[in-house]
Amino acid sequence: GENVEQHPSTLSVQEGDSAVIKCTYSDSASNYFPWYKQELGKRPQLIIDIRSNVGEKKDQRIAVTLNKTAKHFSLHITETQPEDSAVYFCAVGDPGGFKTIFGAGTRLFVKA
Amino acid sequence: ETGVTQTPRHLVMGMTNKKSLKCEQHLGHNAMYWYKQSAKKPLELMFVYSLEERVENNSVPSRFSPECPNSSHLFLHLHTLQPEDSALYLCASSQDSSGGSYNEQFFGPGTRLTVL
Repeated sequence: GENVEQHPSTLSVQEGDSAVIKCTYSDSASNYFPWYKQELGKRPQLIIDIRSNVGEKKDQRIAVTLNKTAKHFSLHITETQPEDSAVYFCAVGDPGGFKTIFGAGTRLFVKA
Repeated sequence: ETGVTQTPRHLVMGMTNKKSLKCEQHLGHNAMYWYKQSAKKPLELMFVYSLEERVENNSVPSRFSPECPNSSHLFLHLHTLQPEDSALYLCASSQDSSGGSYNEQFFGPGTRLTVL
């Protein structure tokens, strides 16, 4: 089955700097790659997703890049703000359907 | 209430108790999910229902029993749990993702379960 690895587990940046979180996956047939943000004590919420027919997607300060050949995808947050502090999960949609496999999460701290 | 709701929000139970977690979605979705979130395994898929049929059962112990009476409601029946089952149980819903066509999952607030 699909295996998703996420790095780093913890990331601390200064406000205004960029943050990058990387994930790798194992099944080359996978074609859906969402990112979820979970603030402390709150539910996970989708912040951006990408499908395998595109290599990059951007939404304001957030972007995701996908390298299908290398089987990895990354989340980029520019001009970080304290409210970006949260746990970020990458995920991969299993090609067989229904099953979304989540990475272990990255705890991002943005220092003011 | 809109979105995905879960009750109760907190639950403390002994190992011999029987309890149920309830999830309700008001988004018109036809797929629902149960996840376990703990420090050891952050988001662990337990069960998936699509069109009220169970389509995924991720090797979950039989002391967890799901029920999906209709596309808006999902239950997780608990009995003879162990202390290691203490975790946050999250429900989610989405549009049917059959054939590998995925859509955003909307999560509920979770039930914080403590097993004594």
